[in-house]
Amino acid sequence: GQQVMQIPQYQHVQEGEDFTTYCNSSTTLSNIQWYKQRPGGHPVFLIQLVKSGEVKKQKRLTFQFGEAKKNSSLHITATQTTDVGTYFCAGRQGGYQKVTFGIGTKLQVIP
Amino acid sequence: DGGITQSPKYLFRKEGQNVTLSCEQNLNHDAMYWYRQDPGQGLRLIYYSQIVNDFQKGDIAEGYSVSREKKESFPLTVTSAQKNPTAFYLCASSSTSTGAGYEQYFGPGTRLTVT
Repeated sequence: GQQVMQIPQYQHVQEGEDFTTYCNSSTTLSNIQWYKQRPGGHPVFLIQLVKSGEVKKQKRLTFQFGEAKKNSSLHITATQTTDVGTYFCAGRQGGYQKVTFGIGTKLQVIP
Repeated sequence: DGGITQSPKYLFRKEGQNVTLSCEQNLNHDAMYWYRQDPGQGLRLIYYSQIVNDFQKGDIAEGYSVSREKKESFPLTVTSAQKNPTAFYLCASSSTSTGAGYEQYFGPGTRLTVT
């Protein structure tokens, strides 16, 4: 079945440093989504990437979808304490309604 | 106020008992999902439903059952056959309309503890 690998599993950064999490799929994806889960909370949708090579930005967050549509990344510039949480990628294969979530990257920001 | 509700937030049960977790949405979404979250394991799909009266097994369906009698509701039963039921359970829904983003909206979750 489809597998979505995500690294790193944990990341500690000093406030102001950059952060990147990477996602790799064993199969070509039709699209990839990113979610953020704050401590004690539930996942919240951030963005969806559909096109090969697509890059989208949300303020300090930059999302990329690989040319082969098998990998993706989320980069946060100049992290803030409000960025703390776990970031998940979720890949969709073909026309299937379900997605497969990566294991998540837990980000800790040290003030 | 649109969204997904799950109740209760915390649930305690004795081993050997079945327990049903509720999930209700008023987003008019056709698709609904149940995930299980354990520390260090991300989100694992238990069951999903794309339409009323139809549902499919996810990756870890053993020991669980669902029903989808109404569009708004997708209850999950954790049976006594589930070997490790203690976990955080998340319900989600999404649109299936062509052109929709298919993003999933999650409920607040139910933390189930079985002793």
